[in-house]
Amino acid sequence: EIVMTQSPGTLSVSPGDGATLSCRASQSISSNLAWYQLKPGQTPRLLFYGASTRAPGIPARFSGSGSGTDYTLTISSLQSEDFALYYCQQYNNWPPAFGGGTKVEIK
Amino acid sequence: EVQLVESGGGLVQPGGSLRLSCAASGFTFTNYWMNWVRQTPGGGLEWVANIKQDGSEHYYVDSVKGRFTISRDNAEDSLSLQMNNLHAEDTAIYYCARGLLSTFPFDYWGQGTVVTVSS
Repeated sequence: EIVMTQSPGTLSVSPGDGATLSCRASQSISSNLAWYQLKPGQTPRLLFYGASTRAPGIPARFSGSGSGTDYTLTISSLQSEDFALYYCQQYNNWPPAFGGGTKVEIK
Repeated sequence: EVQLVESGGGLVQPGGSLRLSCAASGFTFTNYWMNWVRQTPGGGLEWVANIKQDGSEHYYVDSVKGRFTISRDNAEDSLSLQMNNLHAEDTAIYYCARGLLSTFPFDYWGQGTVVTVSS
């Protein structure tokens, strides 16, 4: 089974600053990677799939990149609504697996 | 507007059973694989099970095989998860989620229903 490792566990950022979240797979997942945003009381939201394909309605300040085993979610200028939990998920191998998540909190 | 609304969660004793439901609307239900995903109290996400459009195929994470059964009613646009012999480790928020590219990833999720397994 593929193990997904996200770092850091918590990221403290000031509004307006940028943030870089990392996700590493234990073996190549050929860009079959998704990113999700979870906020309390709201439905989880798909941000990216195929590592870099933005889901409908996702603002341009979010970008996804990476290949092989290493992937990155970048938020260029954090807005108040961006403070949340972020998870990556690989779907290249069975079973699909999530990373442990990164909490983006207000500094 | 795509909507997925879960129900059926609650408090159950270890070894007990619970049946979760998910009502789907705003899309052609029969065109999509459907999934159950859970979030544990520690925050981790885990895919639980999925089912093909016509119900002919279904798959489970190893930890629930033989205990959970996923099913769908395409006439009612609904998804279910029958959970038997529940363990404390099954305590989680259970989400219904739609498959985007055939099976994965998940493009729409419900708000979740809470399952607590405790004596």
